[in-house]
Amino acid sequence: KNEVEQSPQNLTAQEGEFITINCSYSVGISALHWLQQHPGGGIVSLFMLSSGKKKHGRLIATINIQEKHSSLHITASHPRDSAVYICAVLASNYQLIWGAGTKLIIKP
Amino acid sequence: DGGITQSPKYLFRKEGQNVTLSCEQNLNHDAMYWYRQDPGQGLRLIYYSQIVNDFQKGDIAEGYSVSREKKESFPLTVTSAQKNPTAFYLCASHHYQNTGELFFGEGSRLTVL
Repeated sequence: KNEVEQSPQNLTAQEGEFITINCSYSVGISALHWLQQHPGGGIVSLFMLSSGKKKHGRLIATINIQEKHSSLHITASHPRDSAVYICAVLASNYQLIWGAGTKLIIKP
Repeated sequence: DGGITQSPKYLFRKEGQNVTLSCEQNLNHDAMYWYRQDPGQGLRLIYYSQIVNDFQKGDIAEGYSVSREKKESFPLTVTSAQKNPTAFYLCASHHYQNTGELFFGEGSRLTVL
């Protein structure tokens, strides 16, 4: 079993829909990252969380340390949000462990 | 501005040749990583380094080598022993205790002819 599980693997939605991507982990962590990778390959860091909730524009990320679960939400989704979204945790031994990614397609 | 610089962005290599991919950061980060990504796949860890003059093998280190002689530099050599080197390679860094965000280079796309 992977130490970091993301769901869904693939998600297709219509423009304007509310999007949720989930990340569950089984190790002790010091931080959790949400990242975005566009088709060109570049990766951008969206959020780093160690507790609670963060918001940036239409993106919201939450983490529940007790349940070892995090969610990334996109409100009013737009085709330009189409990308692979990756959850990565910094384990207590300071190693990064990656989820497999969620491929999101937003149709106009 | 601080960041990570990877070079070259595109590289073509003949079979049997070693190539070195450069990764330089001016963020004063302790930890640096090299990842490989194949089409439609997730990132796989090749090597990582948490301190100068020390590095550890990741999940797919065979056929690769690294050095960490300076804090800001973590070059990756793809040797002729790597059987399937055509891939996208990403370098990343963060502070050792990750008090900040992860930073990524733009990646290097290696094609073996």
